[in-house]
Amino acid sequence: DAKTTQPPSMDCAEGRAANLPCNHSTISGNEYVYWYRQIHSQGPQYIIHGLKNNETNEMASLIITEDRKSSTLILPHATLRDTAVYYCIGNGRDGNKLVFGAGTILRVKS
Amino acid sequence: GAGVSQTPSNKVTEKGKYVELRCDPISGHTALYWYRQSLGQGPEFLIYFQGTGAADDSGLPNDRFFAVRPEGSVSTLKIQRTERGDSAVYLCASSLMVNTEAFFGQGTRLTVV
Repeated sequence: DAKTTQPPSMDCAEGRAANLPCNHSTISGNEYVYWYRQIHSQGPQYIIHGLKNNETNEMASLIITEDRKSSTLILPHATLRDTAVYYCIGNGRDGNKLVFGAGTILRVKS
Repeated sequence: GAGVSQTPSNKVTEKGKYVELRCDPISGHTALYWYRQSLGQGPEFLIYFQGTGAADDSGLPNDRFFAVRPEGSVSTLKIQRTERGDSAVYLCASSLMVNTEAFFGQGTRLTVV
C-alpha cells in the first residue's frame, strides 16, 4: 500500500470550502485513493474513493492529479459537524487492508 | 440497527486477565476487519477475515492476540494475559466484499489496570 503524507492540521471557516491535500507519490497504477474521516469518539466513516478520474458524491469531491501523485478532498460548504480527523489512504486491489496514517485534523470554525 | 455493532463499548480488566471483544458486522458483509487505535494515532490494522478464514493476520502484535469468525458473521477478538500496553480502542469494520467501502463500529474501549 502506498505511503501517504498529509498536513497535521487545517482550519476552515464555516460555510467555506475545505480543501484537504494528500501526497501519495509512491502510489502504483492499481491502487485506489480512499478518504475516511473520524469524528471524536466515533469509528472512521467512509467518504469517497477514486483511481484516476475525479469523483463526487453527496459528501465530497475528490480531485486526483493526472500523474496520481497527489489528490485533494473538497468539502464544498464546511459545517461545524465536519470537524474531524481526515485520513487519506492508498489501497491496493489485492486486499482491503486500509493502512491509516496520522491524518489531518480539520477544525471548522464559526 | 443496520450498522456494525461492537460489544462491550467499554471494558476494564486487570493485568493478566483474558478478554473477549465481540463484533457483529453488517448482515451479508463477507469481509471483516479488526483495528486498534491508541490516543492521538490513526487506527492500526490487526486482522482481516474473508468469510470464515483469516486472510491477513499480519497486524496481530503477538500470540496473545487471536480472532475467530466461525460462521462467517460474528467475530471475536481474544486477548490473553492482558498487559497495560493493550489499552486502546478496538475497532471492527465490515465490507460487502474486498475493496469496497468499509463500515466501522463505534469501537470497544479496553482499559487494562
